[in-house]
This record gives sequence, structure tokens and C-alpha cells, in this order.
Amino acid sequence: KQEVTQIPAALSVPEGENLVLNCSFTDSAIYNLQWFRQDPGKGLTSLLLIQSSQREQTSGRLNASLDKSSGRSTLYIAASQPGDSATYLCAPYSGNTPLVFGKGTRLSVIA
Amino acid sequence: DVKVTQSSRYLVKRTGEKVFLECVQDMDHENMFWYRQDPGLGLRLIYFSYDVKMKEKGDIPEGYSVSREKKERFSLILESASTNQTSMYLCASRWGGRNNQPQHFGDGTRLSIL
Repeated sequence: KQEVTQIPAALSVPEGENLVLNCSFTDSAIYNLQWFRQDPGKGLTSLLLIQSSQREQTSGRLNASLDKSSGRSTLYIAASQPGDSATYLCAPYSGNTPLVFGKGTRLSVIA
Repeated sequence: DVKVTQSSRYLVKRTGEKVFLECVQDMDHENMFWYRQDPGLGLRLIYFSYDVKMKEKGDIPEGYSVSREKKERFSLILESASTNQTSMYLCASRWGGRNNQPQHFGDGTRLSIL
């Protein structure tokens, strides 16, 4: 059964810093991996979907990488802003099975 | 843009009541999902559906049932609400099968059982 771990569980950084969030998964037979953002009391917003054939996917200041063979993905946030403060979750997808979620990394960007 | 709409943002019910949480998506997605989210426990899958009239148990189905009579609508039912079902409930939908389309979530329903 797929298990997903996100480290660190919480992170606090000053505004402007570049940062990396980590996601590891136990079953490398995945089709793609999705990164989400969740603001307090809200639903999940899809940020990036990275396909198994890709190594990277970019959207604005966000860059996600995927190394299927080692069971790892990272989310890089450049020039962090207070508005980036949220919980970030990753979820690998194995094809017509439910997504499996990590518990997330809670990010605080201090102005 | 994909829209997943949950009928209530906040709901307060009493122990023993039958509670209905409704979810509607506008993208003709085959797959729909119900999760609950609790502090420290993360997202846990309650039930999911791969198509109309189909349902599958997730990791924590006890005390819940679902209904999918139309493709766009997936309802979660608490047969007899209990205080331990106080939680944030999240609905999601996606295309079925092997594809590279993302899963989308609704805004969530914060349910309190008194």
C-alpha cells in the first residue's frame, strides 16, 4: 500500500527566502504526482501535476521535480512571500485508484 | 475552470440525526471522492465512486454511506450522526483511468455534531 511522507511537518522562513518542500512515497509505480495547497479552513487547490515521464514542472515561482526511481518529489518555492503561507500536500497517483496524501508541510512566511 | 461545489460551508447537527452532505461537479468527471480531515490525522478517504451507481469503501467507511444517482452529484450520508463525526469534509472529482488531468476539490464543509 502506498505511503507518503512529507518532511518537514512545519517550516517558518523569512520573506524572500527560497525553500524546498520534500515528499517521499513507497511505491514508485506511479502515473503522476500532484501538489496541492490548502489555506486554513479551506479546500485543496491544485498547484502542479507532474507526469511520471517528466522530471520537472514549473508554474510561476513554483517548480516541482519528480524522481520516480527513488520515490521522491520536491516543491521549490522561489522568493517566498507571506501569501505563500499555507499547508502544502503531495499525492502520487497510480492510475484509477484514489490519490494517497501525505500529511503536509505547514509553511509560514514571515514578513 | 473545474468547479466542485459543496452545498454547505458550515453545518451544525445533533447526535442521532441523519445528515446529508452534497457535492456537485460540472466537468463530467467519472470519479468522485469523499474525505474527512482532522488535525494530526491528515486526509482520510471515506468513500469513492468510479461512475454512476457505483461506490467503493475507502479507509474509514464506518458510520457513512453514499449515493451517486447522477454523474455530477455525489452525496455523503451520516446515518446516525455522532460527536466523533465532527470534522471537515472534503469532496473531490477527477477524470477516470490513466490520464494526466488533476484532481479538484470543493471548499469543504465544516460539520459539527452536538
